[in-house]
Amino acid sequence: DTEVTQTPKHLVMGMTNKKSLKCEQHMGHRAMYWYKQKAKKPPELMFVYSYEKLSINESVPSRFSPECPNSSLLNLHLHALQPEDSALYLCASSQGLAVTYEQYFGPGTRLTVT
Amino acid sequence: SQQGEEDPQALSIQEGENATMNCSYKTSINNLQWYRQNSGRGLVHLILIRSNEREKHSGRLRVTLDTSKKSSSLLITASRAADTASYFCATQKETSGSRLTFGEGTQLTVNP
Repeated sequence: DTEVTQTPKHLVMGMTNKKSLKCEQHMGHRAMYWYKQKAKKPPELMFVYSYEKLSINESVPSRFSPECPNSSLLNLHLHALQPEDSALYLCASSQGLAVTYEQYFGPGTRLTVT
Repeated sequence: SQQGEEDPQALSIQEGENATMNCSYKTSINNLQWYRQNSGRGLVHLILIRSNEREKHSGRLRVTLDTSKKSSSLLITASRAADTASYFCATQKETSGSRLTFGEGTQLTVNP
C-alpha cells in the first residue's frame, strides 16, 4: 500500500469556524508533511513531523495547528482562517528525513474560506 | 523560498511529439526530482536524479542533470493526452534534510 489518504476532499468554512484536515498513511513512514498550494503555484512546505515530533515549522501563522497523534496520522487544525488561506492542502509522507527518501503525496484537501 | 525556475511556463504539443521541460536552481543540491500533478490533485513522483548522476531514464521519461549549469531537463517521448498535467522539479540539499524546494512548474497540454 503506497497510498496517502486525505479527508475531506473539499472543505468550505467561515472565518470564525474551527475545522480539521486529516491525513493517513499505512506505509510505516516516520516523517509526515503538510504543504500549502495556491492555484498555478508550486507547493510550499508548512510543517514536518518526524517520529511524531514537530521537526520543521516554516513560520506558519498560529491559526494553523498541526498534530501527529500517532505514526500513521497527521492532522491540521484550522481556526479563524482568512480568505487568503484558501488553497489546496497537501499531505505527504516519507520513510524518514534523509534526502534519499521519496515523498508520497496525498490527493489534497481543497479549502475555501468564506 | 522557491529556488527553482522552470521553462517554459506552458507547453502545448500534439500527441506523439516529444515534450522537453527545463529547470534551473541556485544552490548546490543532493538530488533533483520531478513530479507530475494532474489538475487540482496530489503530486506523483516521477524520477529522482542524484547530484553525481548525469542522466536517468524511466519508461518514456529521460532526465538530465548538469550541476555545473545548475540545470535539469525532463524529456517525455511519444507524448499522450494522458500526459497533460503540471510538471514540477524539486531539489533537496543535504543541509536541509528532507525539505523539497519546488520550481514554478510547467503546464503541459498534449492535444489528441
